Amino acid sequence: GIQVEQSPPDLILQEGANSTLRCNFSDSVNNLQWFHQNPWGQLINLFYIPSGTKQNGRLSATTVATERYSLLYISSSQTTDSGVYFCAVEGLGDRGSTLGRLYFGRGTQLTVWP
Amino acid sequence: DADVTQTPRNRITKTGKRIMLECSQTKGHDRMYWYRQDPGLGLRLIYYSFDVKDINKGEISDGYSVSRQAQAKFSLSLESAIPNQTALYFCATSDPPPSDEQYFGPGTRLTVT
Repeated sequence: GIQVEQSPPDLILQEGANSTLRCNFSDSVNNLQWFHQNPWGQLINLFYIPSGTKQNGRLSATTVATERYSLLYISSSQTTDSGVYFCAVEGLGDRGSTLGRLYFGRGTQLTVWP
Repeated sequence: DADVTQTPRNRITKTGKRIMLECSQTKGHDRMYWYRQDPGLGLRLIYYSFDVKDINKGEISDGYSVSRQAQAKFSLSLESAIPNQTALYFCATSDPPPSDEQYFGPGTRLTVT
């Protein structure tokens, strides 16, 4: 399966700081999603971004599919941003067919202090 | 109301017991998935189903079975639970191809003692 590597594994910030999380993947993908797992364990969809750039409030994401990486930017971080951020990708099968399943990275644990 | 629901949300069971985790969705999706998350790791795929008559094993299917009772319902069973099946279990659905965007339920926290 596709290998997904996220960095850094841990990130500690003070409120108001900006951060960049990175996701590298080992093969061509049909789908790339970013999730936030809150302290209660729930997975929240942040972005569906197989290519290009999207913004949603203080968060934005960019995927450069040809170079096999994606970046998640968090600006003016808040304590409520704390949790684990996951990148997950869906690979392409033979002849470009989609596989449906997601491969997850190990996540970036973000802690934001007041 | 949530689009993807899971029951129970928390469960403690003993080694050797049979347990079923249930998932329902109101998104009208054909594709459904069961994932498992262990501490410090990302999610790993247990089983997936692309329609009611289609069931496929994921990378960690040993010790698990599934049933797709209807388009909206996909259940995961542990026939004889063991302690290393203690984990957080997620059900998901996805948009049809080519998007395949996935949507996750709230998770079931299972402890096997």
